Amino acid sequence: AQSVTQLDSQVPVFEEAPVELRCNYSSSVSVYLFWYVQYPNQGLQLLLKYLSGSTLVESINGFEAEFNKSQTSFHLRKPSVHISDTAEYFCAVSETGGGNKLTFGTGTQLKVEL
Amino acid sequence: KAGVTQTPRYLIKTRGQQVTLSCSPISGHRSVSWYQQTPGQGLQFLFEYFSETQRNKGNFPGRFSGRQFSNSRSEMNVSTLELGDSALYLCASSSSREGGGNTIYFGEGSWLTVV
Repeated sequence: AQSVTQLDSQVPVFEEAPVELRCNYSSSVSVYLFWYVQYPNQGLQLLLKYLSGSTLVESINGFEAEFNKSQTSFHLRKPSVHISDTAEYFCAVSETGGGNKLTFGTGTQLKVEL
Repeated sequence: KAGVTQTPRYLIKTRGQQVTLSCSPISGHRSVSWYQQTPGQGLQFLFEYFSETQRNKGNFPGRFSGRQFSNSRSEMNVSTLELGDSALYLCASSSSREGGGNTIYFGEGSWLTVV
């Protein structure tokens, strides 16, 4: 079984400041890693995912995440946030070869302030 | 290309009743999954269907069931509703490349309130 830990339930940050949202996972098998974003009253949207290869993955809107196998982490970063980034961010894992079942962390609420 | 469509978006039911939620996946997607989202428990996997067969199942009681039709559309049913079943129910669809790692697309959810 897998588990995902997002230690920070809320992260307040000023606009144009950098941000890091932390994610650690536990699994006895190889996993794929994902970050999803949820805006108020909406479903989840995929930000980025790590399957294999380069440990640094990027999204089209400036977020990036780095897979660190030794620390079992997949932290999400953005060098300069915008008001529109205010949302809840979920880290998730799925087993390789395990179909499409996602195990989610508890989420981090990112609040960007002026 | 239309996204994942869920109906109804909002509904209120009484304890003891049953409810059916519907999901139309993205065209061409044969995998449909369901998740429950609550403030207390977060996002929890209910089940996944692929080609009308349940492929994965989460840790929910038998009151929660689902099915998938030949056109990949899916329904989930909750019988004998309890107050704790109040939640956002999210449907997700995906292609099913062998080995996983597929991008999973979520609908906007069905908000269920049990009173």
